Amino acid sequence: DIEMTQSPDSLAVSLGERATINCKSSQSVLYSSNKKNYLAWYQQKPGQPPKLLIYWASTRESGVPDRFSGSGSGTDFTLTISSLQAEDVAVYSCQQYYSTPYTFGQGTKLEIK
Amino acid sequence: QLQLQASGPGLVKPSETLSLTCTVSGGSISSNSYYWGWIRQPPGKGLEWIGYIYYTGSTYYNPSLKSRVTISVDTSKNQFSLKLSSVTAADTAMYYCARREAAAPWFDPWGQGTLVTVSS
Repeated sequence: DIEMTQSPDSLAVSLGERATINCKSSQSVLYSSNKKNYLAWYQQKPGQPPKLLIYWASTRESGVPDRFSGSGSGTDFTLTISSLQAEDVAVYSCQQYYSTPYTFGQGTKLEIK
Repeated sequence: QLQLQASGPGLVKPSETLSLTCTVSGGSISSNSYYWGWIRQPPGKGLEWIGYIYYTGSTYYNPSLKSRVTISVDTSKNQFSLKLSSVTAADTAMYYCARREAAAPWFDPWGQGTLVTVSS
C-alpha cells in the first residue's frame, strides 16, 4: 500500500495570509506513460462530507476558487491557499489513486489565527 | 444535480454485520461512466477506502477489509449497498458513499455520511 503522510497535522493562519499543506507519498504516484501525478486534494468542512478540490495534483475542480492551488510531483505535493478566507476553515486531505488500495493522508486541520 | 445519501442502523453489536445502503438521486446508477464507492472515517482519524462497484456488479475491495466486505448494487432502486461482517469497535466510523468516474479515479461527489457505532 502507498502511505500518504501530511504535514502539519494542524495549522493556524491569519485571514488573508498564505496557508501551505504538504503531502508525501511512500512511493511515486507519477505515471510515466502520461506524466500525470495520481493525486487529489479534498476539503472537509465541519459536519460535511469531503469535497473534491484538486485532481491530477494541480487541476482545480470546476467552481473551486483560484486561491486554491496544487503543486508537486512524484512523492511530494503541496496544497496552497494564497489568501485565507474564513470559509476555508476545514480539514484538508490528500489521496493517491495511482494504485489500489486508494489511500488518504491523515488530514490537516486548518484554523484561523 | 447528483446526490447520494447513505442510510442504515447507527448502532451495531460486536460480531454482527453492518449493513448500509446508498441511494442515488439525480442520475442513473446504471451509467457506464461511473463506479460507486464506500469510504469510512473513524472518529478523529483519516479516510479509508473500503471498495467500489460498477453497475454490472464488478467489485473492487480494499484488501485489508476484503474478507469481511460485500458491496452490491440494485439498479432497479438506484441503490448500492455495503455489508461488513464480524464488526468490532474498530469499525466505528462515519461511512460515506461516493461516485468515482471510470476514467477519473477520485471521488466526487460524496454523500452526507452516516455514523455507525459498534457497541454492545
